[in-house]
Amino acid sequence: AQKVTQAQTEISVVEKEDVTLDCVYETRDTTYYLFWYKQPPSGELVFLIRRNSFDEQNEISGRYSWNFQKSTSSFNFTITASQVVDSAVYFCALSEANYGQNFVFGPGTRLSVLP
Amino acid sequence: DTEVTQTPKHLVMGMTNKKSLKCEQHMGHRAMYWYKQKAKKPPELMFVYSYEKLSINESVPSRFSPECPNSSLLNLHLHALQPEDSALYLCASSQPTLAGDVADTQYFGPGTRLTVL
Repeated sequence: AQKVTQAQTEISVVEKEDVTLDCVYETRDTTYYLFWYKQPPSGELVFLIRRNSFDEQNEISGRYSWNFQKSTSSFNFTITASQVVDSAVYFCALSEANYGQNFVFGPGTRLSVLP
Repeated sequence: DTEVTQTPKHLVMGMTNKKSLKCEQHMGHRAMYWYKQKAKKPPELMFVYSYEKLSINESVPSRFSPECPNSSLLNLHLHALQPEDSALYLCASSQPTLAGDVADTQYFGPGTRLTVL
């Protein structure tokens, strides 16, 4: 069975601090996909990144970076120099190749960036 | 700007009412989804339509009835709901492979906040 854990329920940081959101997943499949979504107070889930299980390269996009480590089944997300607009709930999600349309979301981490 | 739109943004209904939620996507995707999200919880999958056919129904009560009139539109018909059905209802779309075995990125709409009195 697939499962996603986000151990940090809530995090508060002061603007310009760096913050890392943790994601640990469980799956029996060798082919799977990992995602991060951002949900601001308005409610819409905004897609941030998709990574397949065969691509362990870390990725950087502006102030965002992702660290994928299959050895520890983790897909962590770091925001550098956080801003107030980064305040949101962040969800990590997993999908196995045989059930590509069935996303399993983690419980989410609520990030508050204080001015 | 999202290319998945949902109407209405807010809906208040009584337990005896019949209402519908609407979703439209303009990305040419052929898979569309309904999710239910309670406060402080992750989204829960309700239904998936792939090429206008219902492919996944996650044991949702019959008071929720999905409909996919064409590849761009997705409706969720509501009838005799309960107060515990109050939630944010999210629509999403993705472009599936023909085999349906690849997790294509799902793009979400802004949601409809439903309150059942």
